[in-house]
Amino acid sequence: LAKTTQPISMDSYEGQEVNITCSHNNIATNDYITWYQQFPSQGPRFIIQGYKTKVTNEVASLFIPADRKSSTLSLPRVSLSDTAVYYCLVGVMNRDDKIIFGKGTRLHILP
Amino acid sequence: DAGVTQSPTHLIKTRGQQVTLRCSPKSGHDTVSWYQQALGQGPQFIFQYYEEEERQRGNFPDRFSGHQFPNYSSELNVNALLLGDSALYLCASSGGNNEQFFGPGTRLTVL
Repeated sequence: LAKTTQPISMDSYEGQEVNITCSHNNIATNDYITWYQQFPSQGPRFIIQGYKTKVTNEVASLFIPADRKSSTLSLPRVSLSDTAVYYCLVGVMNRDDKIIFGKGTRLHILP
Repeated sequence: DAGVTQSPTHLIKTRGQQVTLRCSPKSGHDTVSWYQQALGQGPQFIFQYYEEEERQRGNFPDRFSGHQFPNYSSELNVNALLLGDSALYLCASSGGNNEQFFGPGTRLTVL
């Protein structure tokens, strides 16, 4: 799995749009980019996954440039409940692949 | 669909004891992975089971062992517990596509 780099922590305010960027320079052709959210003492929760360009679901958007060496998770109009750790993962993530988590980005939403 | 379930929720053991943690995968999933998450760290991959065999293993000693049953459920066993084994143990299941779903975890405290 490709190594990823993301900011250790970020602060934002309620109602703002939050963008978390992840660098993955060694991404392989078959790799997908997946983001997980984790609250304290809970298991990580799948947010969004993409391969290229832009993916949007009811929770977030994922922007992937043409070279795929980075990606940006965008959370629209955050609330206090979005305070969590966000992990960027790169890989195929099927049964022949093991997920390697980094330290993630600790997002703190302020009122 | 109950998703991934784990038992017990919490567990307290003393050094030198043995512990068994259990995981039932999401319906339709046949692959189970186990992770250890120390406080403030990202989850660390322990091993993965598919077709009742260990397919991948992370950097964990032989004290950590596992099993997968014909119904795809899995157990994680840890022998000769150390204080450093205190952590949140996460189980994730997948069905061979590009997603892993995590359970709520088991909080193990070793005294």
